[in-house]
Amino acid sequence: DAKTTQPPSMDCAEGRAANLPCNHSTISGNEYVYWYRQIHSQGPQYIIHGLKNNETNEMASLIITEDRKSSTLILPHATLRDTAVYYCIVRVPIVSGTASKLTFGTGTRLQVTL
Amino acid sequence: GAVVSQHPSWVICKSGTSVKIECRSLDFQATTMFWYRQFPKQSLMLMATSNEGSKATYEQGVEKDKFLINHASLTLSTLTVTSAHPEDSSFYICSASGGLAVSYNEQFFGPGTRLTVL
Repeated sequence: DAKTTQPPSMDCAEGRAANLPCNHSTISGNEYVYWYRQIHSQGPQYIIHGLKNNETNEMASLIITEDRKSSTLILPHATLRDTAVYYCIVRVPIVSGTASKLTFGTGTRLQVTL
Repeated sequence: GAVVSQHPSWVICKSGTSVKIECRSLDFQATTMFWYRQFPKQSLMLMATSNEGSKATYEQGVEKDKFLINHASLTLSTLTVTSAHPEDSSFYICSASGGLAVSYNEQFFGPGTRLTVL
């Protein structure tokens, strides 16, 4: 799986958009970009994923650059409950018919403040 | 979405004893389950991948005789920490996959089990 680079920490004011960057310059053509988050002392939670097009769901938007070497996760209106560690992972989803493993980096610790 | 549970949510044991942690997929059949370990202020580290009915595949550096994994059914996998020592104290998290075709979220995570070895 391609390695990712994320800033170790970010702050965001409640109600504002949180933009979390991720560099994945060695991503290969069949690798997807996944985002998970982990709230303290809980299991990770899936947020969103994409291959090359921008994606949006009820939680967030994912913007992938045209060369796919970087992406940005956008939480449009951050709340205190969005305080968590956010992980950007690139991987091929399926290998030999089964789900492939996830390799977690150090992630970005997002602190949402009043 | 799919739900994965873990039991117990926390456990304290004496050094030298064995501890079993259960991971269950509640509303889907999990052909593959993954076990992770997370030390304080660190990221999740994959320990092993378990496919139903076959032996688990352990990551490099993980002792298979110490961390016994059983995946006997499509809804249950267990991790047994044998002869636990204080350095095994950690947050253990499982995830489960239904082996679906490419979909948005092939792995569903449990809430984790915090193990403290005295």
